[in-house]
Amino acid sequence: DTGVSQDPRHKITKRGQNVTFRCDPISEHNRLYWYRQTLGQGPEFLTYFQNEAQLEKSRLLSDRFSAERPKGSFSTLEIQRTEQGDSAMYLCASSLVYGATSYNEQFFGPGTRLTVL
Amino acid sequence: SQQGEEDPQALSIQEGENATMNCSYKTSINNLQWYRQNSGRGLVHLILIRSNEREKHSGRLRVTLDTSKKSSSLLITASRAADTASYFCATVRTGANSKLTFGKGITLSVRP
Repeated sequence: DTGVSQDPRHKITKRGQNVTFRCDPISEHNRLYWYRQTLGQGPEFLTYFQNEAQLEKSRLLSDRFSAERPKGSFSTLEIQRTEQGDSAMYLCASSLVYGATSYNEQFFGPGTRLTVL
Repeated sequence: SQQGEEDPQALSIQEGENATMNCSYKTSINNLQWYRQNSGRGLVHLILIRSNEREKHSGRLRVTLDTSKKSSSLLITASRAADTASYFCATVRTGANSKLTFGKGITLSVRP
């Protein structure tokens, strides 16, 4: 399967613990995005990378959140000192973008569902 | 924050009927995209329409865009039970450099 993959698919943790999610994009894609989706809502943008550079972060991404894409391939999203409000589906997407174009479809992974007890 | 509002929030139709879903948005956009999400899964891209386009077709899908009214519609013709899913419109704002801003989504149920 050459689509976007995410690991783990489900994560249950206790409040205050740290969690880390991984996303493997489609191999030739240079852009990678993280979104968060809560029940009954559409996904909300968190951050995105162009190759290894993190180009934009949403205000939703508090200091407890950090994302990396060290070699321009896979990415990790870490949440420190988790809170119950962090419970959500975390979606990763990738796309291939040439130059400054914004006309690109994003390919989404299956998501990681986080439950904070 | 959510950019778009889809209408209706939920739609139930019989197999074979057409389904029309509407989306309104607030800011100037570069393009608008529709995505489908099956229960508890990732999103699948359906169609992209640029701000200088008015209508686009892809198989059983027809999308229109009216930038003067800041609205779009998605028409699914001859619906099938497999079309049952949540549908989201997402916009790329002018200057937003491909970041997607989603609406809350429409739940479509197609009865066999």
